[in-house]
Amino acid sequence: KAGVTQTPRYLIKTRGQQVTLSCSPISGHRSVSWYQQTPGQGLQFLFEYFSETQRNKGNFPGRFSGRQFSNSRSEMNVSTLELGDSALYLCASSSSGPTPGNTIYFGEGSWLTVV
Amino acid sequence: QKEVEQNSGPLSVPEGAIASLNCTYSDRGSQSFFWYRQYSGKSPELIMSIYSNGDKEDGRFTAQLNKASQYVSLLIRDSQPSDSATYLCAVKINDYKLSFGAGTTVTVRA
Repeated sequence: KAGVTQTPRYLIKTRGQQVTLSCSPISGHRSVSWYQQTPGQGLQFLFEYFSETQRNKGNFPGRFSGRQFSNSRSEMNVSTLELGDSALYLCASSSSGPTPGNTIYFGEGSWLTVV
Repeated sequence: QKEVEQNSGPLSVPEGAIASLNCTYSDRGSQSFFWYRQYSGKSPELIMSIYSNGDKEDGRFTAQLNKASQYVSLLIRDSQPSDSATYLCAVKINDYKLSFGAGTTVTVRA
């Protein structure tokens, strides 16, 4: 069973540009969430999608957006990049639902460097 | 108050010893708790999940949960150099997201 797949793995962008990151969840998982990890702030929740609907959003500016497709694949977009957006962006998938046992699994991440 | 707090590190233990990691959380309604291991330059890897009060053992790892005290811990027995990593405590909030602690870096000395 394939895990969570993220592309691209590494990228370098210039301030002011925009970037799109892609995530394919584990087969059968309908919930996809995104996290940002930086040395200073740790792992922070960006947003979560389920059945193409954003159910929850973290405390990030509107430059950060995302979407989910009918096949559960998800993309996140960051516009007008700033140096502080340099981070590891992690996608996670789960089968979701209210039961406690729905574990969240992470992809390998996309390393974004803004110069 | 932070949603999840972990004991400050780094933690250095000799090979073969027990490493003890602690975590407290603020949301009394939380039901799901996880420990992730993250090697430098890699993404977090799930090593334990726990949902009920008490202990849960998986190989050399034991997770302990006390909901009344809002406390989760992880014990690593017979620590190996390969256990050297950052350990992240995570609490599921509102079924939609994980809130993470800052992590505890563990170094196992050979």
